[in-house]
Amino acid sequence: EAGVAQSPRYKIIEKRQSVAFWCNPISGHATLYWYQQILGQGPKLLIQFQNNGVVDDSQLPKDRFSAERLKGVDSTLKIQPAKLEDSAVYLCASSPIRAPGANEKLFFGSGTQLSVL
Amino acid sequence: KQEVTQIPAALSVPEGENLVLNCSFTDSAIYNLQWFRQDPGKGLTSLLLIQSSQREQTSGRLNASLDKSSGRSTLYIAASQPGDSATYLCAVPSLNRDDKIIFGKGTRLHILP
Repeated sequence: EAGVAQSPRYKIIEKRQSVAFWCNPISGHATLYWYQQILGQGPKLLIQFQNNGVVDDSQLPKDRFSAERLKGVDSTLKIQPAKLEDSAVYLCASSPIRAPGANEKLFFGSGTQLSVL
Repeated sequence: KQEVTQIPAALSVPEGENLVLNCSFTDSAIYNLQWFRQDPGKGLTSLLLIQSSQREQTSGRLNASLDKSSGRSTLYIAASQPGDSATYLCAVPSLNRDDKIIFGKGTRLHILP
């Protein structure tokens, strides 16, 4: 079974530039998550999709971050314009169904390491 | 608000020793807890998921326990190997309607050959 695919693996940009990350979840997984992991911290949820609808984006800085999941499969996360503090690893994860009380494991991609100079 | 704490932040032990990693959470009304492993520059791999009705889960040399009433979980690693060197994170669902999964900051484990 193929895992969660993410690209690119690394990205270096200057502040105020734009950047986009791509994620392809495990086939059939309804729920997709984007996490931001700053060095030395645990992952922080940015946005959660259930199929192609947004379940939670309360911690997404909407003035500069946007995400979409067209057709309920692949997803892209965009930052425009980037700030120095956006330097982090951006992780995509998926699970079969994310319902309250569900006991499902999360499956993570390898992440995209973003450096903003 | 659910908060997850992992102590210690880093741990070094000689190869072959048994060790315990700790995780505590502030609100005990959870329905599961997961332990993850993260290698440098990589994503997270789910190791064990303990449901609220369970007290422990085992996978090979790993054993995770859950004590909901005290808000604690431990990950026991038997006969540690250099390949076990990684960061170990625990995660629990938040209790809000959004049902987010909250991660601890992790414990960086280094097994000395």
